[in-house]
Amino acid sequence: RKEVEQDPGPFNVPEGATVAFNCTYSNSASQSFFWYRQDCRKEPKLLMSVYSSGNEDGRFTAQLNRASQYISLLIRDSKLSDSATYLCVVTSSGYSTLTFGKGTMLLVSP
Amino acid sequence: NAGVTQTPKFQVLKTGQSMTLQCAQDMNHNSMYWYRQDPGMGLRLIYYSASEGTTDKGEVPNGYNVSRLNKREFSLRLESAAPSQTSVYFCASSEPRGSGNTIYFGEGSWLTVV
Repeated sequence: RKEVEQDPGPFNVPEGATVAFNCTYSNSASQSFFWYRQDCRKEPKLLMSVYSSGNEDGRFTAQLNRASQYISLLIRDSKLSDSATYLCVVTSSGYSTLTFGKGTMLLVSP
Repeated sequence: NAGVTQTPKFQVLKTGQSMTLQCAQDMNHNSMYWYRQDPGMGLRLIYYSASEGTTDKGEVPNGYNVSRLNKREFSLRLESAAPSQTSVYFCASSEPRGSGNTIYFGEGSWLTVV
């Protein structure tokens, strides 16, 4: 089982749609969790951290379920500018490194 | 507001040639990383440096060497380039404590080995 697994995608949605990304991780000792966004031919950038209690940032909501080792990202009212690849990121056992999922591409169309 | 700066941005090498990718960060971070990103493979860690003076192998270290020259700079060297090393390389840095391990990336170096 890979350390961090994501939906393969791509997800094609119309503007205004709600879309959810899922991510599972294999290391139960993982400490920190993040969602990163990567635009085409650009570097990944932090979208939001994921906390056990769940957290929201505008149209974006992240959830963590430690028991199921599952992370989710919900995007409401999708915009064209949300089109990107979304990467699930988990700290590894060494705490000094992070493990990335392969990413899920989102395409929002007019 | 430079953040993480890596050079060169684009490079074409012939098989067997050597080259060094340079990386510098101005955020006073202790940890620095080199990742490669290939289609369908995601980001894979090549080497990382938890602090000045230390380096450790990541998931795919073969064919690479690194140097943590000082706290700011972390270079990646390909001694004898192979076509399998054609990839996009990202340097990154982070501060493990206090910032939740947020990692900041450079803009990437596109390397083609022919």
